[in-house]
Amino acid sequence: DVKVTQSSRYLVKRTGEKVFLECVQDMDHENMFWYRQDPGLGLRLIYFSYDVKMKEKGDIPEGYSVSREKKERFSLILESASTNQTSMYLCASSNPGLAEANTGELFFGEGSRLTVL
Amino acid sequence: KNQVEQSPQSLIILEGKNCTLQCNYTVSPFSNLRWYKQDTGRGPVSLTIMTFSENTKSNGRYTATLDADTKQSSLHITASQLSDSASYICVVSRSNDYKLSFGAGTTVTVRA
Repeated sequence: DVKVTQSSRYLVKRTGEKVFLECVQDMDHENMFWYRQDPGLGLRLIYFSYDVKMKEKGDIPEGYSVSREKKERFSLILESASTNQTSMYLCASSNPGLAEANTGELFFGEGSRLTVL
Repeated sequence: KNQVEQSPQSLIILEGKNCTLQCNYTVSPFSNLRWYKQDTGRGPVSLTIMTFSENTKSNGRYTATLDADTKQSSLHITASQLSDSASYICVVSRSNDYKLSFGAGTTVTVRA
């Protein structure tokens, strides 16, 4: 079974702190995604990566950056956390690569619930 | 305006009963439509994926339908169980675009 592991299920941070959310997948998937999920809204894409060191902005990239130094690991970084970044963050992975990124089945992690005080 | 609208927002059903969830979309050009189940505090899990040429797909007690002409999909849950209590999310993808459009979900509560 595909496993997507998010390092922290729950985090509490203070405004202005730098926050790292880590995601690891074990199925050699090319595509990895970071989404944000808020009540009453559909999941919104923050960033997408289709290969090591390759990334594309999603719908809401402002205030976030990402890093993909190894194929299995995709990190989301909040350079200076703000209260409006309090949310559930979901990592996902899929195959195939960029050209067919809209067809592959998405496998999600369990989520990281971040609270910024 | 969200390109994927789900209804109802929530519903409560008795164990053993059936229910149907609706998804209307405006995404174009259409590539595929997916239904996901998300248990409280967990990540979404795929139930079905349907392309343009498929109008019905089943996964156990879950049956999804797709009418690409009217841009509507439904998810039917048969003989509901307590474990069906979850949020059900409709996701539509556009051709040649890695961005998916997510509905806000329908929360289903199954009561004994």
